[in-house]
Amino acid sequence: EIMMTQSPGTLSVSPGERATLSCRASQSVTSNLAWYQQKPGQAPRLLIYDASARATGIPARFSGSGSGTEFTLTISSLQSEDFAVYYCQQYNDWPRTFGQGTKVEIK
Amino acid sequence: EVQLVQSGAELKKPGESLKISCKGSGYRFPNFWIGWVRQTPGKGLEWLGVIYPGDSDTRYSPSFQGQVTISVDKSVSTAYLQWSSLKASDTGMYYCARAGATDDSFDPWGQGTLVTVSS
Repeated sequence: EIMMTQSPGTLSVSPGERATLSCRASQSVTSNLAWYQQKPGQAPRLLIYDASARATGIPARFSGSGSGTEFTLTISSLQSEDFAVYYCQQYNDWPRTFGQGTKVEIK
Repeated sequence: EVQLVQSGAELKKPGESLKISCKGSGYRFPNFWIGWVRQTPGKGLEWLGVIYPGDSDTRYSPSFQGQVTISVDKSVSTAYLQWSSLKASDTGMYYCARAGATDDSFDPWGQGTLVTVSS
């Protein structure tokens, strides 16, 4: 089973600043990686698939990069609605696995 | 609009059985994998398994194999997650989600079904 490790656990950022979230896979997942955003009381929402493709309706301030074992989600200028928990997920191998999440909080 | 609508919250006792549902609409249901994900406060998101409604091909996480059963009735565009004997540790929020046409990311997700197992 591929283990996904996200860092940091919590990221404190001021509105308007850039946020950089990391996700590391225990073995290569090529580009088969997704990022999700989850707000309290809501289901997760797909942001990025195939490591760098934005899902429908996702603002351009969200971008994904990386391949193999190292991935990054960047939020270029944090808006108030972006404070949430973010998860990565690999879908290169069975079983699919999620990272433990990074909480982005207001500084 | 592609939508997944899940059945309502459940309160059960240990040892009881349960089947929750996830109804898809707005797309060709047989042609897309449907998955189940559990969320608990201590363990974040856990991938349970997926099913392909077209032929009922099913894949489970080893952690959940034998603990749950995933099934589908494509005549009513509905996927199911069931337990034969619930444990307190099955308590959590369960989400269904649809995989993509060309990738296995999940979009959209159902609204979630809260399962509480308590004596």
